[in-house]
Amino acid sequence: KAGVTQTPRYLIKTRGQQVTLSCSPISGHRSVSWYQQTPGQGLQFLFEYFSETQRNKGNFPGRFSGRQFSNSRSEMNVSTLELGDSALYLCASSLAGGPSGNTIYFGEGSWLTVV
Amino acid sequence: QQQVKQSPQSLIVQKGGIPIINCAYENTAFDYFPWYQQFPGKGPALLIAIRPDVSEKKEGRFTISFNKSAKQFSLHIMDSQPGDSATYFCAASMPSNTGKLIFGQGTTLQVKP
Repeated sequence: KAGVTQTPRYLIKTRGQQVTLSCSPISGHRSVSWYQQTPGQGLQFLFEYFSETQRNKGNFPGRFSGRQFSNSRSEMNVSTLELGDSALYLCASSLAGGPSGNTIYFGEGSWLTVV
Repeated sequence: QQQVKQSPQSLIVQKGGIPIINCAYENTAFDYFPWYQQFPGKGPALLIAIRPDVSEKKEGRFTISFNKSAKQFSLHIMDSQPGDSATYFCAASMPSNTGKLIFGQGTTLQVKP
């Protein structure tokens, strides 16, 4: 069974640009969540999607947005990039139901560098 | 109340030693406590998880001890190996917040040969 797949793995953007990151969840998983990981702030929850609807949102500015498609694949977008947005962006998926509904599996992440 | 506090920040043990990583929480609504292992350049990988109705859970060399009254839980790694050198994160989630994990700050473990 394939794991959570994220693309691209590495990217460099300039301040003020925008970026879109993609995530394919584990087959059968309907919940997709996104996290930002930085050395200073650690792992922080961005948002979670289930059946194409955002169910949870973390404390990030509106420049961070996401969406989920009918096949459960998800994208997140960051507009007007700032230097502080440089981070590892992690996508995670879960069944979102049943006794194992809380088991969350992470992808390898997309490394974003803003210059 | 949403925080999970993890200690120590870093840990060095000899091969065969038993590193212990501790986490504490405040919110009694948390009902699921996973531990993740992360190697450099990789995403976090689920190691083991526990729910508050269980005081201990073992999977291979990894053991979680859970103290509900103290609102603390810990990870023990038996017979640690150099390949266990990684960053370990504890986390917590609530039943109403599927998909959202609150993470501790992480512990960097080095196991010396």
